[in-house]
Amino acid sequence: KQEVTQIPAALSVPEGENLVLNCSFTDSAIYNLQWFRQDPGKGLTSLLLIQSSQREQTSGRLNASLDKSSGRSTLYIAASQPGDSATYLCAVASTGAGNNRKLIWGLGTSLAVNP
Amino acid sequence: DARVTQTPRHKVTEMGQEVTMRCQPILGHNTVFWYRQTMMQGLELLAYFRNRAPLDDSGMPKDRFSAEMPDATLATLKIQPSEPRDSAVYFCASGLVAFGNQPQYFGPGTRLLVL
Repeated sequence: KQEVTQIPAALSVPEGENLVLNCSFTDSAIYNLQWFRQDPGKGLTSLLLIQSSQREQTSGRLNASLDKSSGRSTLYIAASQPGDSATYLCAVASTGAGNNRKLIWGLGTSLAVNP
Repeated sequence: DARVTQTPRHKVTEMGQEVTMRCQPILGHNTVFWYRQTMMQGLELLAYFRNRAPLDDSGMPKDRFSAEMPDATLATLKIQPSEPRDSAVYFCASGLVAFGNQPQYFGPGTRLLVL
């Protein structure tokens, strides 16, 4: 059974720091891995999606890497800003066709970037 | 700016009452998901539809929960009778595929409190 873990659960950093959020999963047979952002009282916003054949994806100051063999993904945020404060969730899409494919979610890392 | 909309945004009710939550997916999206989010369990998939047909509702307690898509612009999630343990945030999401290499777009959620 696939399990997704995110460490740390909470992180507080000063503005301008580069930081790394971690996501680990127990079954390396994945279809893709996604990173989402959730702001308080709001829904989730998709940030990056890494297909199983890819090693990384980049969007602006965000870079996500994927190492299937070790069951790990990292989300790198460069030059953090107070507006980056949110909860970041990792989700793994299992392999399997049709209705057998699922998204398994981590509990998230709550990030606070202090001015 | 296409968005998933959900109503109501907040709901407080007493145990035993019926609760109906509504979702309008993004126009053109043929896959609709219902999720529940709690602090302890994180995000859980309750059910999802493709082209208005239910594909998987194994995450729902079937004795009290029901999900339908009366038409392509409306998805509903009902709880009858509601219980305090149903207190959570319920998210609707829509997309072009189910768990493929396309992102899901989330609504703002319905925050439910059952007293």
